[in-house]
Amino acid sequence: KQEVTQIPAALSVPEGENLVLNCSFTDSAIYNLQWFRQDPGKGLTSLLLIQSSQREQTSGRLNASLDKSSGRSTLYIAASQPGDSATYLCAPSPEFSGTYKYIFGTGTRLKVLA
Amino acid sequence: NAGVTQTPKFRILKIGQSMTLQCTQDMNHNYMYWYRQDPGMGLKLIYYSVGAGITDKGEVPNGYNVSRSTTEDFPLRLELAAPSQTSVYFCASSYLEEGTQYFGPGTRLLVL
Repeated sequence: KQEVTQIPAALSVPEGENLVLNCSFTDSAIYNLQWFRQDPGKGLTSLLLIQSSQREQTSGRLNASLDKSSGRSTLYIAASQPGDSATYLCAPSPEFSGTYKYIFGTGTRLKVLA
Repeated sequence: NAGVTQTPKFRILKIGQSMTLQCTQDMNHNYMYWYRQDPGMGLKLIYYSVGAGITDKGEVPNGYNVSRSTTEDFPLRLELAAPSQTSVYFCASSYLEEGTQYFGPGTRLLVL
């Protein structure tokens, strides 16, 4: 059974710092992996989707990397801003699940201080 | 586009009552999903649908039922509500089975 772990569980940084959020998963047989952002009391917003054949995906100040064989993904946020404060969740999709059911980690709660 | 909409936003139920959580999407997505999110936990898949008339169980289906009579709507039914069903429920949809999922704002349910 796929287990997804995100470290750290919470992170507080001053504005302007570059930071890395980590995601590890136990079953490397994945089809793709998504990173989501969740604001308090809101739904999830997909940030990046990285295919298993890709090494990384970029969108603006965000860069996600994937090392499928070692079961790890990282989300790099450059020049962090207070507006980046949110919970970030990663979700790999198992390769042979019959349907592409994403398995979610518990998230990293990020606070960027002005 | 409104995207994925959910109603109600918040509801309190008594043990044993039933209710339907509504989910509608206007993106013409075939794939729709229901998740629950408990405090400090990741999302868990309850049910999903790959198109009108086709539904299947996810990881935690017990105590819930779904139907998909149209492409747009995917209601989740709770029969005989229990305190263990206190959670935040999210509906999501996607165009491709393996593609980006778009989430609704969630329904917060409290069962007392």
